[in-house]
Formats: sequence, C-alpha cells, structure tokens
Amino acid sequence: DVKVTQSSRYLVKRTGEKVFLECVQDMDHENMFWYRQDPGLGLRLIYFSYDVKMKEKGDIPEGYSVSREKKERFSLILESASTNQTSMYLCASRRRTVHSNQPQHFGDGTRLSIL
Amino acid sequence: AQKVTQAQTEISVVEKEDVTLDCVYETRDTTYYLFWYKQPPSGELVFLIRRNSFDEQNEISGRYSWNFQKSTSSFNFTITASQVVDSAVYFCALSEGNSGNTPLVFGKGTRLSVIA
Repeated sequence: DVKVTQSSRYLVKRTGEKVFLECVQDMDHENMFWYRQDPGLGLRLIYFSYDVKMKEKGDIPEGYSVSREKKERFSLILESASTNQTSMYLCASRRRTVHSNQPQHFGDGTRLSIL
Repeated sequence: AQKVTQAQTEISVVEKEDVTLDCVYETRDTTYYLFWYKQPPSGELVFLIRRNSFDEQNEISGRYSWNFQKSTSSFNFTITASQVVDSAVYFCALSEGNSGNTPLVFGKGTRLSVIA
C-alpha cells in the first residue's frame, strides 16, 4: 500500500513565522502535490512537482513556496504565516505512467492554525 | 479550462435508502480521467474509482455504482442501501490529458449523512 506521511497532524504557529510542512511518500512516485482544504471551497491546488527539483504553481501559490530536493520528500513553506493561511493542508503523491493519469494518494492532512 | 461541479452541498438520508451524488465536469480535452474520493470524519481522502474518457461502461462495486455519461458530462455516484459508515464527504475530480503529470481538479464535495 502507498503510504504518504505528513509530519504533523496538528500545528499551531504565530503570524509572521516561517512554517514548514513536510511530506514523505514511500512508493517512489514521481508526482507530488500540496492542496489546502477549506469549508465550502473543496480542495485547491497550491503547488505540485513532477520530478526532483521541479515545481509548478497551482491555483493559489501566493504566500507559499515548495522544495523537492529528494524524490520522496515534498515540503511546503509558508514564508511569513498569516491568519488567512489557517487551513487543512493535504499532501498527495502519484505514480507517473505513460498515456494514463493515475489516482493521487493522500496523507492524513495537517490542520494548521495561525494565531 | 477544466472544472468540476458538485451541486449538492449536503445530503441527508435514512439508513437503507439509496442515494445518488451528482458530478458534472467541463473540459476541452477529448482524453481525460474522472475520479471519486471519499473523506470520512478521520480526514484522509480515500480513492474509490477512476474512469477514462473512452470507457463509458458503468461500474458496480458492491453497494457502489457509477454512471458515466459523456453526452451530459456527468459522472454520478450511487450508493445502494446506504449505511451509517457511508457518512463522509465525497469528492469528484478530473484530470485532463494522459501525460501522467496533470494534477486532479476537485469539486467542492458533497457531505453525505446517513442516519440510523
């Protein structure tokens, strides 16, 4: 079974702090993704990566950056946390196959509160 | 641009009733993939099914069935004889093309409550 592990289930930080959310997958997947989930808005894509050191902006990248130095790890960085970044953050990974789009496998999520 | 609409925000049914969750999608690609995920109260998204645009065959898996209709751009999900354990938020998603790199775009989800 695919295992996507997010470093924290719950996290509380202060406004202005630099925040790191870590995600590790154990299935050698090429693609990794960060979403945030808010009530009434569903899942919105922040950033994704289709290979090591590669990154692509999603729909709402402002205020965030990412790092993918190793294939198994994809980090989301809040450069200067703000209260409107209080949310549930979900990491996902996916195997890349030729001529098909595989399902994404998700971690348990990190509920981040910015005070 | 791709878009997924789940018009039903919340549905409440009594146990053993059948329930259908609607999903309508928009895409300009002729090749695309559709997905359904379940998010129980514990929070993790669980993959349920994937369907590609060239396969309009409906699928049944136990109490779950899916109806894919390209003519109406819909991919609806029916739960037969619902149970309390079916209570969750259900998401429909779309991924265009077949390069293997395109992210999933999700609908806003439908919260299903099954009452005993």
